[in-house]
Amino acid sequence: SQKIEQNSEALNIQEGKTATLTCNYTNYSPAYLQWYRQDPGRGPVFLLLIRENEKEKRKERLKVTFDTTLKQSLFHITASQPADSATYLCALVRETDSWGKLQFGAGTQVVVTP
Amino acid sequence: DADVTQTPRNRITKTGKRIMLECSQTKGHDRMYWYRQDPGLGLRLIYYSFDVKDINKGEISDGYSVSRQAQAKFSLSLESAIPNQTALYFCATSDGGGPGNTIYFGEGSWLTVV
Repeated sequence: SQKIEQNSEALNIQEGKTATLTCNYTNYSPAYLQWYRQDPGRGPVFLLLIRENEKEKRKERLKVTFDTTLKQSLFHITASQPADSATYLCALVRETDSWGKLQFGAGTQVVVTP
Repeated sequence: DADVTQTPRNRITKTGKRIMLECSQTKGHDRMYWYRQDPGLGLRLIYYSFDVKDINKGEISDGYSVSRQAQAKFSLSLESAIPNQTALYFCATSDGGGPGNTIYFGEGSWLTVV
């Protein structure tokens, strides 16, 4: 069966350091992988999308990599700030799926301390 | 004002009761979705609609029904609520299909079935 795994343990990190989150998947061939941010009691907010033929994508302090051989995406927050504290979700879409039929991981909570 | 508005934001209902969650959007998007989020699990797609006349089942549609009353409105009904439908429900929209179309989520509706 399809499985999308994110580290369930919270990532505690000091301000200024780089936070690295992992999204692993099995029995799945995504064409696109997305990362979302979710704050407590709020809906997910789209951050970045990376295609299967792209190795890396950047947006400001965020960087995403996508390794289809390892079936893994890494999400980096550089120079982390307390305002980056949230839960980060990865979501996958297959080429054959309708857009919006996202398969989500359970998310990893990031806590950035001053 | 939020682009994707869900009502109610919180509801406690009894087992066997019918409950409707409503979603309205001001983004003018054709596509609307209902997701469910449970602790430790990723968001799961319940139903999705590409336009007023096109409604499709998602991953976990059993026990739910939907109605697309207008382009801007998409409601989710639990015909006879049961305790394992206690969850956080999200409505989402997108302008179309494909990676150029961001998916926007509402703030969520907490539903507790007792």
